[in-house]
Amino acid sequence: DSGVTQTPKHLITATGQRVTLRCSPRSGDLSVYWYQQSLDQGLQFLIQYYNGEERAKGNILERFSAQQFPDLHSELNLSSLELGDSALYFCASSAQPDILNSPLHFGNGTRLTVT
Amino acid sequence: AQKITQTQPGMFVQEKEAVTLDCTYDTSDQSYGLFWYKQPSSGEMIFLIYQGSYDEQNATEGRYSLNFQKARKSANLVISASQLGDSAMYFCAMRGMGYSGAGSYQLTFGKGTKLSVIP
Repeated sequence: DSGVTQTPKHLITATGQRVTLRCSPRSGDLSVYWYQQSLDQGLQFLIQYYNGEERAKGNILERFSAQQFPDLHSELNLSSLELGDSALYFCASSAQPDILNSPLHFGNGTRLTVT
Repeated sequence: AQKITQTQPGMFVQEKEAVTLDCTYDTSDQSYGLFWYKQPSSGEMIFLIYQGSYDEQNATEGRYSLNFQKARKSANLVISASQLGDSAMYFCAMRGMGYSGAGSYQLTFGKGTKLSVIP
């Protein structure tokens, strides 16, 4: 068990809808990362937060947004969903985002299916 | 920009044998870290092993070892005495210090290798 909690495990929704994915990092970890895993694109970095502030942005669509709250949990909001957004969405956390040897610890992911 | 290449989409290994999963990387950062993750069919990503670019010794963690050849820019994962539970996708990833671009500080993943252990 990595200590990172993601909810829900599965989400099925229709095109055009909006969903929210939730993540609680490991105890003591200040940095949260969101990744998208799809068959054709592999694991893509979306966005990172550190202690409530946005730290880095990757290949995140404008329809997607995220935030990290004072209690350090994070939410990823996906809106105007398209079929191509169907993927496994991972949250990861790390204690020290600026240290090379600090691994990311991943949650079990939320599998999103857009129909 | 950083790039990770895993050239073996799939590998088979006999139970109790050793197997090497290939990983090559490209970066202009002088300091970087290399990671291997395991993803079983259940979906979770499990951190296995880390190698720093300035580490002189190859990293080892139990049955996992990393064959790091800096000049060749390769970081192959060696699994000894394969077990049925080792059947999974394996991802090589790297993180730089950001000097080759802001994105290089994030963990960049390869496409993965699917390992199947045969009884």
